[in-house]
Amino acid sequence: GAGVSQTPSNKVTEKGKYVKLRCDPISGHTALYWYRQSLGQGPEFLIYFQGTGAADDSGLPNDRFFAVRPEGSVSTLKIQRTERGDSAVYLCASSARLAGTGELFFGEGSRLTVL
Amino acid sequence: AQTVTQSQPEMSVQEAETVTLSCTYDTSESDYYLFWYKQPPSRQMILVIRQEAYKQQNATENRFSVNFQKAAKSFSLKISDSQLGDAAMYFCAYRSRTSGTYKYIFGTGTRLKVLA
Repeated sequence: GAGVSQTPSNKVTEKGKYVKLRCDPISGHTALYWYRQSLGQGPEFLIYFQGTGAADDSGLPNDRFFAVRPEGSVSTLKIQRTERGDSAVYLCASSARLAGTGELFFGEGSRLTVL
Repeated sequence: AQTVTQSQPEMSVQEAETVTLSCTYDTSESDYYLFWYKQPPSRQMILVIRQEAYKQQNATENRFSVNFQKAAKSFSLKISDSQLGDAAMYFCAYRSRTSGTYKYIFGTGTRLKVLA
């Protein structure tokens, strides 16, 4: 597709379960970002990739959160032992290159609800 | 660390009128980008306008313009001739050009309501 695609769009899980959220960036975009957006808040940075490597993961809240991008395209955000506080919309964005002129293209997000 | 502050949680404007959304930021850097992003109820964020800090001229995109005051660290968005489709959350964002990190820092947003 032409835009950033995120799946699932909605995920309901129970506390303690493991979840995976997928992001398909725009084809050819080398930079990929994950953000978390809680209700009524702005996006909170989690991690970004340049190619396959995580260039900055300083926003990951703890070691239950992990993200990969093994082939430099699709990325997966993984959350282990989910907690109710993890409930949020997880946004993925891509840009043509990391040090470019700056426009981020966002997906529609994955809404995670932890019961 | 850089911060972005949007002090107006909600604003309203009459259709066809003009509204200004405020944003202030804090940084010790001299070279950076500033952005306004729009997030409609459908959730997908789109870029409205971008300003490069080294450019003194304020950016303009059709009905959208900014007032960039670098010394005051202020970056407001003006929407002229407001339309119903402008109703959305608006986020101000900052990104460094020189610090070696390319993460975007967002404010908490301003909800814009457009009244018919």
